[in-house]
Amino acid sequence: LAKTTQPISMDSYEGQEVNITCSHNNIATNDYITWYQQFPSQGPRFIIQGYKTKVTNEVASLFIPADRKSSTLSLPRVSLSDTAVYYCLVDGGSQGNLIFGKGTKLSVKP
Amino acid sequence: DTGVSQNPRHKITKRGQNVTFRCDPISEHNRLYWYRQTLGQGPEFLTYFQNEAQLEKSRLLSDRFSAERPKGSFSTLEIQRTEQGDSAMYLCASSLRGSAYEQYFGPGTRLTVT
Repeated sequence: LAKTTQPISMDSYEGQEVNITCSHNNIATNDYITWYQQFPSQGPRFIIQGYKTKVTNEVASLFIPADRKSSTLSLPRVSLSDTAVYYCLVDGGSQGNLIFGKGTKLSVKP
Repeated sequence: DTGVSQNPRHKITKRGQNVTFRCDPISEHNRLYWYRQTLGQGPEFLTYFQNEAQLEKSRLLSDRFSAERPKGSFSTLEIQRTEQGDSAMYLCASSLRGSAYEQYFGPGTRLTVT
């Protein structure tokens, strides 16, 4: 399974765009990149998934360069409610046993 | 609310006692997963079911742990002879087979073993 590396924590202010980068140097050809968000005392929530280039939904954008060795989750105009832990996951299996790291703890300040 | 539900939300037990948790997945989801999460760590995979079949178990799932999904709907996770190291949040998630990486998590059951 590919291993991911992401910053332990990040700080931001309301209204700013936040970019969280994840490194996955050993990503395999059939691996997808998936991001989850977790608020305190709640289960994780799926945010976005991509394979290459750019994916956008109503919550975030995911940028994946051509070599796919990293990915960047972009959160536009964050608010206080975006304070959470964000996990980057990669896996190519079909079984769905998600492998979480420690994630990035994002703190949004007023 | 048609999301994943878990009961109880909190459980305090004494070391050596048995505990059982229940998970009710989203009704049309045929896959159900159990994870364990300790403070400051990401969730760790324990086991998963496709319908009523338990298809994979992590090495974290010692012989004191057993999970069932008897009719392919709700699932139970039992821990026998609890130890202090079992204290954690136990999370359940469900998904459609074709969307295994888009899992919907419940709120978790927080277990404290004293």
